[in-house]
Amino acid sequence: KNEVEQSPQNLTAQEGEFITINCSYSVGISALHWLQQHPGGGIVSLFMLSSGKKKHGRLIATINIQEKHSSLHITASHPRDSAVYICAGGSNYQLIWGAGTKLIIKP
Amino acid sequence: NAGVTQTPKFRVLKTGQSMTLLCAQDMNHEYMYWYRQDPGMGLRLIHYSVGEGTTAKGEVPDGYNVSRLKKQNFLLGLESAAPSQTSVYFCASRAGTGSSGNTIYFGEGSWLTVV
Repeated sequence: KNEVEQSPQNLTAQEGEFITINCSYSVGISALHWLQQHPGGGIVSLFMLSSGKKKHGRLIATINIQEKHSSLHITASHPRDSAVYICAGGSNYQLIWGAGTKLIIKP
Repeated sequence: NAGVTQTPKFRVLKTGQSMTLLCAQDMNHEYMYWYRQDPGMGLRLIHYSVGEGTTAKGEVPDGYNVSRLKKQNFLLGLESAAPSQTSVYFCASRAGTGSSGNTIYFGEGSWLTVV
């Protein structure tokens, strides 16, 4: 069965801290997506990875194909980064969704 | 660019009523999806489509029907609304070729309450 597991489920940190959210996936997933859902509900795609590392501003996503593991890092975290971060594995037509990590950054 | 547009954004229905949610995308995407998200929960796939004229069941299809008569539109119908269908509904789309690696785009969500 194809699965995607995220950790931690909840994360609270102080402004400025380095944040890491982890995602493990099973065989059959050929690409890994990271998305952000803000409290208002909107969902935005952050990264799509099939290998290596991608960076956009303070966000960095990495993937290790052999270990079937991906991480999302946030450097110099800010209260506006507070959101739910979701990883999803791409497999054929569908995406297999992780449960999400609720991140709260306190000022 | 409009991207993915959902209508309506908010709706209150009485039990037993029917309604249709419309999803429109202007990116010529092959794949379209309807998800529901209940409070504090993740996304669950209701139905999806891999091209015009095709639809398939997802994880939670019961009580819903869909149609993809035009490539740009994906309609979600509730035949006889039930309180258990109170949820936020999200439509999403992505390009078809090399599908697993394409960026997915979401609509803003449709808040549905069934009383």
